[in-house]
Amino acid sequence: KAGVTQTPRYLIKTRGQQVTLSCSPISGHRSVSWYQQTPGQGLQFLFEYFSETQRNKGNFPGRFSGRQFSNSRSEMNVSTLELGDSALYLCASKDTAGTYNEQFFGPGTRLTVL
Amino acid sequence: AQKITQTQPGMFVQEKEAVTLDCTYDTSDPSYGLFWYKQPSSGEMIFLIYQGSYDQQNATEGRYSLNFQKARKSANLVISASQLGDSAMYFCAMRDHNTDKLIFGTGTRLQVFP
Repeated sequence: KAGVTQTPRYLIKTRGQQVTLSCSPISGHRSVSWYQQTPGQGLQFLFEYFSETQRNKGNFPGRFSGRQFSNSRSEMNVSTLELGDSALYLCASKDTAGTYNEQFFGPGTRLTVL
Repeated sequence: AQKITQTQPGMFVQEKEAVTLDCTYDTSDPSYGLFWYKQPSSGEMIFLIYQGSYDQQNATEGRYSLNFQKARKSANLVISASQLGDSAMYFCAMRDHNTDKLIFGTGTRLQVFP
C-alpha cells in the first residue's frame, strides 16, 4: 500500500495570507490527524477527522481549520498567517481496526511565513 | 494531565554499540499506549515500537526493544547494534485514552558515529 502523502512539501507565504495543505491517507484508513511541529513548541495535536467529521481538536485558534472528504482525504487551512505559523505540518492516518491503533505519518509540509 | 518527558536532548553512540533513550510518562489513566517514533532529517515520523499498559512483556521489534517499567512510569527505547542510518530524532509518545491523540516528548537527537 502507498503511504500517507502530503502536498505540497514546501510552501512559502507572507503574513496575512491563507494556506491550504492536503493529506491523502493510506488506503482504507478513515482517521486523519494533523500535528504542528515547531522548534519551540515541539509536536502539537491540531485536530482529527474521522468519516468526514472532526472528532477531536487541539488548543489552536480558529484560524486553523480542516475538513475531510468522502474518500478520507483531508485538508487543513490556516487563515491570516502569522510568523509563528512557520512549522512542519504532519498528517497521520490510522486504521482504527489496526493492532496497535498506531498512526502512520506523511512526510510533512514545511510552511515558511515571511 | 498527561505528559511525556525525554531528558536527553542528544546522545552519541558508536556504530554496532547499543544505546538507551530515556522516556518517562505521567498519566492517571490505567489504560494507555506508548509509542516510539523515529524522525530522520527528511521529516517523516516512522513508527518503531508500541507498548500497551497491560502488556506483560516488553515489546520488541527487530533491533528495537522497549524497557517498560510501569511502577517507575518509564518506557526506555533500546537500540541494539546501532547503525549509521539510526542517526535521527527519536520521539516517545503516549496515546491519550480519551481523545486518541498522541502526546509527544521533546525528542532525543541520536548520532551514530563510525
